[in-house]
Amino acid sequence: KAGVTQTPRYLIKTRGQQVTLSCSPISGHRSVSWYQQTPGQGLQFLFEYFSETQRNKGNFPGRFSGRQFSNSRSEMNVSTLELGDSALYLCASSSLTGTQETQYFGPGTRLLVL
Amino acid sequence: SQKIEQNSEALNIQEGKTATLTCNYTNYSPAYLQWYRQDPGRGPVFLLLIRENEKEKRKERLKVTFDTTLKQSLFHITASQPADSATYLCALGHGTASKLTFGTGTRLQVTL
Repeated sequence: KAGVTQTPRYLIKTRGQQVTLSCSPISGHRSVSWYQQTPGQGLQFLFEYFSETQRNKGNFPGRFSGRQFSNSRSEMNVSTLELGDSALYLCASSSLTGTQETQYFGPGTRLLVL
Repeated sequence: SQKIEQNSEALNIQEGKTATLTCNYTNYSPAYLQWYRQDPGRGPVFLLLIRENEKEKRKERLKVTFDTTLKQSLFHITASQPADSATYLCALGHGTASKLTFGTGTRLQVTL
């Protein structure tokens, strides 16, 4: 099976712009989660989508949004970019195994905001 | 608030020795705990999952323990190799949601 793919891998934007990141989960996985990773804060949960519905949400401002399509592919959008949004954005897909879940992460999109 | 602490400093260990990484948590009652490995510039890779009613789990050279009384998990790599050098993350979860709470990770460096 192909792994989780994310596009683009690298992105440079300026403050005030908006950005859309894309994630394709492993085939058959219906849950997609997004995380932000920075050196200071580590991995922080943004939100999770399951069957096109947002199932969980982290503590990020409304500038961060996402959606999931019927084929389970997901996008996240960040509007009005700030310097502090520079980070590695990771997407993870999961397949339910009993009551616990294993996350399969993509390689990430490295976003630099200037 | 929930807090997860891992060895904040890098852990340097000689090849062949056992590396032990610590994950402590407060204000949380996880149903399960996971360990991930992350290499520079790449996403985390799942290693092991241990449930709250399990004390120990093993997979090849890896062993994880989970003490819900101490609120601590220990992650051991026996006969460590330079290829084991990476950052190791612990993550706590509850229920069926995919929302995981991650620690900040411990960087392990295995030298010859």
